[in-house]
Amino acid sequence: AQKVTQAQTEISVVEKEDVTLDCVYETRDTTYYLFWYKQPPSGELVFLIRRNSFDEQNEISGRYSWNFQKSTSSFNFTITASQVVDSAVYFCALSEADSGYSTLTFGKGTMLLVSP
Amino acid sequence: DTAVSQTPKYLVTQMGNDKSIKCEQNLGHDTMYWYKQDSKKFLKIMFSYNNKELIINETVPNRFSPKSPDKAHLNLHINSLELGDSAVYFCASSQGVGGVTDTQYFGPGTRLTVL
Repeated sequence: AQKVTQAQTEISVVEKEDVTLDCVYETRDTTYYLFWYKQPPSGELVFLIRRNSFDEQNEISGRYSWNFQKSTSSFNFTITASQVVDSAVYFCALSEADSGYSTLTFGKGTMLLVSP
Repeated sequence: DTAVSQTPKYLVTQMGNDKSIKCEQNLGHDTMYWYKQDSKKFLKIMFSYNNKELIINETVPNRFSPKSPDKAHLNLHINSLELGDSAVYFCASSQGVGGVTDTQYFGPGTRLTVL
């Protein structure tokens, strides 16, 4: 079973639309961390946010916001007023510590295409 | 200033060859990682090192051998390259000991193509 599920393989929007990228995770740990990374067409992986399992406050950073809900095991990412530069593959990831050392498990990614 | 750097950025080679990818971080981090991203963009951990000690070794063919000469460097050597090794290899580093709280920062990736 997938530990991190990003059900949306690809999303296409027009500039200025809002878009939400879904992430559902699965873990038995009580302490874990969730992450979002961005992979633009140039290929590098850019860290966006880290959230721990004890902090369910939503987070906003400019046009980006994240909604963490433990009740539904979801950590969704919303981009408000999308721009062409937001076009990228976005990965959600889970950090657990089965044996003391963490393994970062990635979802399969959601490709976001923002057209002008 | 480049935080996590990898060389080369592109590597094209023939099946059966041996090649190395180098990674360096100037963040002062204690833990470094290698990930493989396949053609479908799926990212999977291969190895991680904390202060030059191997701490995670996922199920990877033993043709892949990481080497950490110091905590700022983690190189990946691949023997007898196969077609299926074609992928993008990412190096990453984190400040902590490789625990659950660590945030990993990634290098730009090395695209390996085996012909």
